[in-house]
Amino acid sequence: NAGVTQTPKFQVLKTGQSMTLQCAQDMNHNSMYWYRQDPGMGLRLIYYSASEGTTDKGEVPNGYNVSRLNKREFSLRLESAAPSQTSVYFCASSGDRGVVRAFFGQGTRLTVV
Amino acid sequence: GDSVVQTEGQVLPSEGDSLIVNCSYETTQYPSLFWYVQYPGEGPQLHLKAMKANDKGRNKGFEAMYRKETTSFHLEKDSVQESDSAVYFCALSDLGAGGSYIPTFGRGTSLIVHP
Repeated sequence: NAGVTQTPKFQVLKTGQSMTLQCAQDMNHNSMYWYRQDPGMGLRLIYYSASEGTTDKGEVPNGYNVSRLNKREFSLRLESAAPSQTSVYFCASSGDRGVVRAFFGQGTRLTVV
Repeated sequence: GDSVVQTEGQVLPSEGDSLIVNCSYETTQYPSLFWYVQYPGEGPQLHLKAMKANDKGRNKGFEAMYRKETTSFHLEKDSVQESDSAVYFCALSDLGAGGSYIPTFGRGTSLIVHP
């Protein structure tokens, strides 16, 4: 049972380059999330999607775009990477019944130079 | 909006010491409360949970009581072990404006247990 799968695991970008972080879940969850983790800042929500076809901004959306391609997949795009976007990015998903806990992927460590 | 405040930075007990990591939350609704644990190189994973007031979450000797009157969910353990070393996040899950549950996390507490 794969759970939440993120690719790539590591990436180095030059300032101004673009890239897309991929995320897929196999738990039939409606809700999916993108967080970034920085030292001393915890997990900050970038964007979330409550269902296929809908997306909403979180706490720190500037510089990012997202696509909920289908129920399984939720991608995060950096159009023009900046050094301030150096971080570890986590995708997560959750159901909407019962215990609404988040399942996380392994993370993508992104460095922008 | 919702917020979670927890003991920040590092906590450095010795093996066998007791532990309390403080967590306070702020919300206008009736959230579920969680502690997540994160090991190096991995994503956070659920450690324990409480769904409503006066529920107690338990896992691997850790406990946390959902206290609505003080809006707190402190993580406690009587005797920590070196293997408990990890980063711990307090979190709540609440219905957002769009009808979706949105997890909100504290900044994390790094627990480093000395042998």
